[in-house]
Amino acid sequence: SQQGEEDPQALSIQEGENATMNCSYKTSINNLQWYRQNSGRGLVHLILIRSNEREKHSGRLRVTLDTSKKSSSLLITASRAADTASYFCASYSGAGSYQLTFGKGTKLSVIP
Amino acid sequence: SQTIHQWPATLVQPVGSPLSLECTVEGTSNPNLYWYRQAAGRGLQLLFYSVGIGQISSEVPQNLSASRPQDRQFILSSKKLLLSDSGFYLCAWSEDSRGELFFGEGSRLTVL
Repeated sequence: SQQGEEDPQALSIQEGENATMNCSYKTSINNLQWYRQNSGRGLVHLILIRSNEREKHSGRLRVTLDTSKKSSSLLITASRAADTASYFCASYSGAGSYQLTFGKGTKLSVIP
Repeated sequence: SQTIHQWPATLVQPVGSPLSLECTVEGTSNPNLYWYRQAAGRGLQLLFYSVGIGQISSEVPQNLSASRPQDRQFILSSKKLLLSDSGFYLCAWSEDSRGELFFGEGSRLTVL
């Protein structure tokens, strides 16, 4: 079953604009992770936020986590055409689980 | 530094034929290893994971199997492929059970 669900499913913006993607999850988590996938390629880890953290930055990426709402958001500032990709949130479902469960992703298109 | 290799990159096989996808990790020891499948436009489905040589856990029942003959080698197999086995297969590794995953470039399987 899906642990994370991203919203929106697809997002199209102009270069230079900010892109915000949201993720909701179902069970308690140890951490939540965001990944990026270029078309036809493997996934690349972007950022990990622990359950006791509320916000984390990495370059142009900002991730927030609200454990009370079981939700997270990924903000990409000053987007570039090279940011065009699918973005997935993922979390481990339950204590002792080795299964990192992914959502279906948000497909981001950045128009030059 | 650690690297992950996955092959073949693309594969077209007839229904009923066998399958073998290979994945090797370099630069680390005793990694957790994973096989995921990604159907078109869908999220990732965990198929198998392994925490050590000869230790394989299956997440979904199917006609696929996995083996870990060496510490850093993970093999996905099938004796008889089905049409529904078509998809994008991704191998990944992690250092621990709660950390980030590092993915290979994927193997695209088309069963005709």
